[in-house]
Amino acid sequence: DAGVTQSPTHLIKTRGQQVTLRCSPKSGHDTVSWYQQALGQGPQFIFQYYEEEERQRGNFPDRFSGHQFPNYSSELNVNALLLGDSALYLCASSLGVRTANEKLFFGSGTQLSVL
Amino acid sequence: EDQVTQSPEALRLQEGESSSLNCSYTVSGLRGLFWYRQDPGKGPEFLFTLYSAGEEKEKERLKATLTKKESFLHITAPKPEDSATYLCAVRYGNNRLAFGKGNQVVVIP
Repeated sequence: DAGVTQSPTHLIKTRGQQVTLRCSPKSGHDTVSWYQQALGQGPQFIFQYYEEEERQRGNFPDRFSGHQFPNYSSELNVNALLLGDSALYLCASSLGVRTANEKLFFGSGTQLSVL
Repeated sequence: EDQVTQSPEALRLQEGESSSLNCSYTVSGLRGLFWYRQDPGKGPEFLFTLYSAGEEKEKERLKATLTKKESFLHITAPKPEDSATYLCAVRYGNNRLAFGKGNQVVVIP
């Protein structure tokens, strides 16, 4: 049973560029959440997708956008990258939006470095 | 204002030296408190969910407890493989989830 998979594992970009990160949820899961984790910090909630719609959003600017596809996979897009966007980006999946924050299964993340 | 505060930030233990990690929270309407383990370069891995004061959960050398304002993760006779960052998260309000910064634990053989 495949767990949550994220790609790429590492990425280096320069300021002002745009980036797309990808996530495939655990088999059978339909809800995907994205988190940003800076070094030495806990994960910060970006947004959550269910039924191809953004259901909840954390305190992140609209440079951060996402998408969920019919097969439940998801993308995170970040435009106009800033140095402060350097972080580990984590995707988490769960089943059903009402219990979406009960027990999350996380991928190993994408380490984004902005130079 | 931080909603979830974990202490100590970092802890070095000798193998076999039991200790406790603390997670205090200020949210109202708690709908669940979660403990996760995170190894370097990996995503968090679910350990426990606690819902009400007085509840306890155990897994191997780990035991999580919950009061009205805080949770403890007790590590009994730790082994080097217990070295990790332990994250606490609270679910509250309209199904929001907030994480603490974590307790970084190093167990020395």
